[in-house]
Amino acid sequence: DAKTTQPTSMDCAEGRAANLPCNHSTISGNEYVYWYRQIHSQGPQYIIHGLKNNETNEMASLIITEDRKSSTLILPHATLRDTAVYYCIVRPSSNTGKLIFGQGTTLQVKP
Amino acid sequence: SAVISQKPSRDICQRGTSLTIQCQVDSQVTMMFWYRQQPGQSLTLIATANQGSEATYESGFVIDKFPISRPNLTFSTLTVSNMSPEDSSIYLCSVVPNTNTEAFFGQGTRLTVV
Repeated sequence: DAKTTQPTSMDCAEGRAANLPCNHSTISGNEYVYWYRQIHSQGPQYIIHGLKNNETNEMASLIITEDRKSSTLILPHATLRDTAVYYCIVRPSSNTGKLIFGQGTTLQVKP
Repeated sequence: SAVISQKPSRDICQRGTSLTIQCQVDSQVTMMFWYRQQPGQSLTLIATANQGSEATYESGFVIDKFPISRPNLTFSTLTVSNMSPEDSSIYLCSVVPNTNTEAFFGQGTRLTVV
């Protein structure tokens, strides 16, 4: 599975957009980009995923560059409850479902 | 979606003993996994729990230390055997209901070995 690189930590003001980058320069054609987050003392929670096109759901937007070597997760209006560790994971379409977690980005939303 | 119940939610155990963690899912799922999260670290996959056959372990994890059962499509157990303080971690169960759907996680079992 392709390796991902994320900043260790980021801060964001409450109510502002949080933009979390992820580098996956070795991604291959059949691999999806998945984002999960882990709020303190809870299990990871699925946020969004995509292959080539940008995606949006009720939680976030995912912007994938044209060459697919990087992506950005956007939380449009961050709240204090969005404070968590955010994991960017690359997963093949044929994958059995197991996930390889990197260190993630710790997002601190501040009032 | 899938709702996962893990038991116990936490435990404090003596070194040298074993603890069995249960994972119950509210629907039948093909794919089930066990992860470990050491203090301050990310999640590491321990094994894939295969229904009706032996679990598939990742590098660095062995069956003697982490025996896994998967008697049916809604239940699995992970045993942490002959525990030492280094086994103090959060252990998480995860399921993927169908290929190319997202993974769902239990709330984890916080284990402290003293």
